[in-house]
Amino acid sequence: SQQGEEDPQALSIQEGENATMNCSYKTSINNLQWYRQNSGRGLVHLILIRSNEREKHSGRLRVTLDTSKKSSSLLITASRAADTASYFCATALYNTDKLIFGTGTRLQVFP
Amino acid sequence: DAGITQSPRYKITETGRQVTLMCHQTWSHSYMFWYRQDLGHGLRLIYYSAAADITDKGEVPDGYVVSRSKTENFPLTLESATRSQTSVYFCASTHGTEQFFGPGTRLTVL
Repeated sequence: SQQGEEDPQALSIQEGENATMNCSYKTSINNLQWYRQNSGRGLVHLILIRSNEREKHSGRLRVTLDTSKKSSSLLITASRAADTASYFCATALYNTDKLIFGTGTRLQVFP
Repeated sequence: DAGITQSPRYKITETGRQVTLMCHQTWSHSYMFWYRQDLGHGLRLIYYSAAADITDKGEVPDGYVVSRSKTENFPLTLESATRSQTSVYFCASTHGTEQFFGPGTRLTVL
């Protein structure tokens, strides 16, 4: 069964707006990562947040993690048309080197 | 070029045929992974390898075989392809906690 579930499945916004994507997971994790996938390409790592962290920033990205609710959110501020892509959360479980990916959020940013 | 490459990028085959998808990385990363990506399922782990000659099953291993005789190569073989194996296949390797992905192989089984 899927460990991570993203919400919403699809999101359409205008350039300049903020985009928020959520991820829920089921079991205890070591860290949670967000990846981006442009159409027809492989996934690219964006940001990692460890289980003992609550918030992390990287450029226009802000990730939060609530381990009590088993959820994370990815905020992209001041979105650009180039941010159009699918975004996936991935959880790293304890004592394993595997990542479990969610089903992704498709983000469309209109110029 | 440094990085992770997959070949072929596109493959059409028929039911029952054997198909091998290649994955090569130039970093000497220990861990390598094979995923399949299907609409509505995200990425699902097929097999992974912690080092040369060490492989283990992932979430959906049935119908697939892997080998890892050299650190840099991790081929995935479909022994007898089925239509349900039509998918996009991604290879990845790990450096620390971050996974690096290849460009993918789009496989169609007729």
